[in-house]
Amino acid sequence: DPKIIQKPKYLVAVTGSEKILICEQYLGHNAMYWYRQSAKKPLEFMFSYSYQKLMDNQTASSRFQPQSSKKNHLDLQITALKPDDSATYFCASSQRDRNQAPLFGEGTRLSVL
Amino acid sequence: GDSVTQTEGPVTVSESESLIINCTYSATSIAYPNLFWYVRYPGEGLQLLLKVITAGQKGSSRGFEATYNKETTSFHLQKASVQESDSAVYYCALGDPNTGNYKYVFGAGTRLKVIA
Repeated sequence: DPKIIQKPKYLVAVTGSEKILICEQYLGHNAMYWYRQSAKKPLEFMFSYSYQKLMDNQTASSRFQPQSSKKNHLDLQITALKPDDSATYFCASSQRDRNQAPLFGEGTRLSVL
Repeated sequence: GDSVTQTEGPVTVSESESLIINCTYSATSIAYPNLFWYVRYPGEGLQLLLKVITAGQKGSSRGFEATYNKETTSFHLQKASVQESDSAVYYCALGDPNTGNYKYVFGAGTRLKVIA
């Protein structure tokens, strides 16, 4: 069974709309992250949360807002969607410990028309 | 800034042949980066394949190996004999141990197809 659950797997949205990408982890980790991979680009780090607090934000746009209602949840709200937001969004988690490699979910593929 | 460059795919290899996927890095803001290889099989998430945190050391897993070469700033992935089940996308990444290794810099990924 997957330990990091991302929902939905695929998402189609229209320009200007708002969507929420869901991420839950059942690994007991205390830190969670979001990464994004656009077409033909490397995965890019977006956010990191530890104990439900924002630790690092590498995303310039305020249209991207992480939301943590529980310590094992880190959802990603995206508002005013643009076609350039089309990408696969990966959630990851780890114990906040040096040198531990995060585990990743399967990703949510978002297409904005 | 920091960056990772890896072999551009797709790479097609016949079963039982050897494989090398090149990875070079530039870590201008990280004195001693940790290096990683991740793999993404079809329909699955990224999985850690191997990691090396000390320059000069070699990591290995599932028949794959990679050596952290600080002189050439490389971390090439090799396997002596590939199998069809190795078909996947491989990602090289570097992390900063001083920040907890979560803010990775990834390469673009190399799609490997192994044919029978």
